[in-house]
Amino acid sequence: GEDVEQSLFLSVREGDSSVINCTYTDSSSTYLYWYKQEPGAGLQLLTYIFSNMDMKQDQRLTVLLNKKDKHLSLRIADTQTGDSAIYFCAETKVTFGTGTKLQVIP
Amino acid sequence: EPEVTQTPSHQVTQMGQEVILRCVPISNHLYFYWYRQILGQKVEFLVSFYNNEISEKSEIFDDQFSVERPDGSNFTLKIRSTKLEDSAMYFCASSDGQGATYEQYFGPGTRLTVT
Repeated sequence: GEDVEQSLFLSVREGDSSVINCTYTDSSSTYLYWYKQEPGAGLQLLTYIFSNMDMKQDQRLTVLLNKKDKHLSLRIADTQTGDSAIYFCAETKVTFGTGTKLQVIP
Repeated sequence: EPEVTQTPSHQVTQMGQEVILRCVPISNHLYFYWYRQILGQKVEFLVSFYNNEISEKSEIFDDQFSVERPDGSNFTLKIRSTKLEDSAMYFCASSDGQGATYEQYFGPGTRLTVT
């Protein structure tokens, strides 16, 4: 069955890079997504990557995809306190991971 | 910026009661979705809706659930006879197209507590 796994918690200092990891199981996923959920808010699409790409960069965000290992990561450069949120990865058929709570320490 | 809104933000109900969760999608969107997130667990897809009918639903979306677009602006999720395990955050989303590259815009969610 489809399953998406993430670590539950990550704590980083302001200015450092954050790396949030995700593993998925559906090898037919054409796109993989990263969503951000701030407290009391809905899910906001941050970025997505097409499955034939290895990397996608969008300002401070870098997505890395290892299709062989079914591993997806989101790197946030120069992490700010406003980046504190829960980050979800998701497969094409909107199967979400459990979310990783990013805590940024000033 | 247009946004998806949901009401109420928190609903408390007794087991066995019917609840209706309301959503107002973005006005020019055509595709509508409901998801739920049980506390501490994953966001789970429930149902998608297009052209006044369900286009896809998950195993979770059983006969206790129904969706409706009663008046061209609201999109509702009804749970006929709530169970304790229906307690969750319910998110509505809408998009202007269907397919992997169309972004779904999510509402802030309704927290449903079944006692």
